[in-house]
Amino acid sequence: EVQLLQSGGGLVQPGGSLRLSCAASGFTFRSSDMSWVRQAPGKGLEWVSDITFRGGSTYYADSVKGRFTVSRDSSKNILFLQMNSLRAEDTAVYYCAKDLSGGGRDWGQGTLVTVSS
Amino acid sequence: DIRVTQSPSTLSASVGDRVTITCRASQSIGNWLAWYQQKAGKAPSLLIYKASTLETGVPSRFSGSGSGTDFTLTINRLQPDDFATYYCHQYHSYPYTFGQGTKLEIK
Repeated sequence: EVQLLQSGGGLVQPGGSLRLSCAASGFTFRSSDMSWVRQAPGKGLEWVSDITFRGGSTYYADSVKGRFTVSRDSSKNILFLQMNSLRAEDTAVYYCAKDLSGGGRDWGQGTLVTVSS
Repeated sequence: DIRVTQSPSTLSASVGDRVTITCRASQSIGNWLAWYQQKAGKAPSLLIYKASTLETGVPSRFSGSGSGTDFTLTINRLQPDDFATYYCHQYHSYPYTFGQGTKLEIK
């Protein structure tokens, strides 16, 4: 059974940093593209970032480019999202997801990031 | 970037009805489109991928169609559990984009 267990959310001040983690199990993590998707309170889904399994290419939404960094530790089966220079508009529930480009059937439980002073 | 326009934003219907939600992409995306259902406080759940392929375990009253720029999600014989929010998602090219969502409400 695929499991994606997220951690690392919380309250952070504007301009601050936070790192989200997504621990994967039940599938071959090193062979899977992984994604981050977020949802601001009461709003729709927004794709944030992808990291491919092949070569670890990374992709970002314009709204986070230059501030967020996606990475993976395939030895520990963990996906990360390093978020710097956080803004109020980054407040959202962040989800990790497996293989969105193959039909995103597996998602983490979501973790809330609140950016506020 | 590919824009995805989903409509309607809200849909009121009754149990047993048939409803249709549409998504239009700003350029051709082939059949690289998925549909998700989301309930309050939960992660999205995959219904359809590659525009028309029903995900395993999803009831057959859900169906998807379309290719290129115009896509539809149809739900036949609405059940109480179907009242939720639905999103389309294009994964033809980066940046990936989601539709704005359709909230399906009980009439």
